[in-house]
Amino acid sequence: DVKVTQSSRYLVKRTGEKVFLECVQDMDHENMFWYRQDPGLGLRLIYFSYDVKMKEKGDIPEGYSVSREKKERFSLILESASTNQTSMYLCASSFVGYTEAFFGQGTRLTVV
Amino acid sequence: EDQVTQSPEALRLQEGESSSLNCSYTVSGLRGLFWYRQDPGKGPEFLFTLYSAGEEKEKERLKATLTKKESFLHITAPKPEDSATYLCAVQEGSNYKLTFGKGTLLTVNP
Repeated sequence: DVKVTQSSRYLVKRTGEKVFLECVQDMDHENMFWYRQDPGLGLRLIYFSYDVKMKEKGDIPEGYSVSREKKERFSLILESASTNQTSMYLCASSFVGYTEAFFGQGTRLTVV
Repeated sequence: EDQVTQSPEALRLQEGESSSLNCSYTVSGLRGLFWYRQDPGKGPEFLFTLYSAGEEKEKERLKATLTKKESFLHITAPKPEDSATYLCAVQEGSNYKLTFGKGTLLTVNP
């Protein structure tokens, strides 16, 4: 089975802190994605990566950055957390091409 | 304008009462349409991929179909354990990202 593992299920951080969300996949997938999910807004793409050290902005990249130093690991960084970044964060991975993506269990981040 | 629209937003069924969920899309150059199931507090779980109009996929009580403008997820004789949010997503053009609809919350009462 495909396994996408996110480092934390729940996280509480203070405004202004630098926050790291980690994601690891074990299927040798080329593509990796970070989404956030909010009630009434659905899943929105923050960033994606199609190869090591490659990244592209999604629909809502402001306030976020990413890092992909190894194929299996994709990190989302909140440079200075704000309360409007309180959300469910979902990591996903897929093979290159038009194929399904597999999701991790999600990280519920609360910024206070 | 949303590229992917799901309806209804919420659907309540009695156990055994069959129904359909709709996903309409306005993207050009559809590469793939995906259905996911999401339980509360968890990540989406992949169900089906459809690539071309006329294609159908089945899994247990679920059947997904695709036309040139929409997809349906048919649920036959649902059980309470089918209660979840069902998400539809599309890939278009040369872009590998998935664009999601807002989902349909399905509740099946015993």
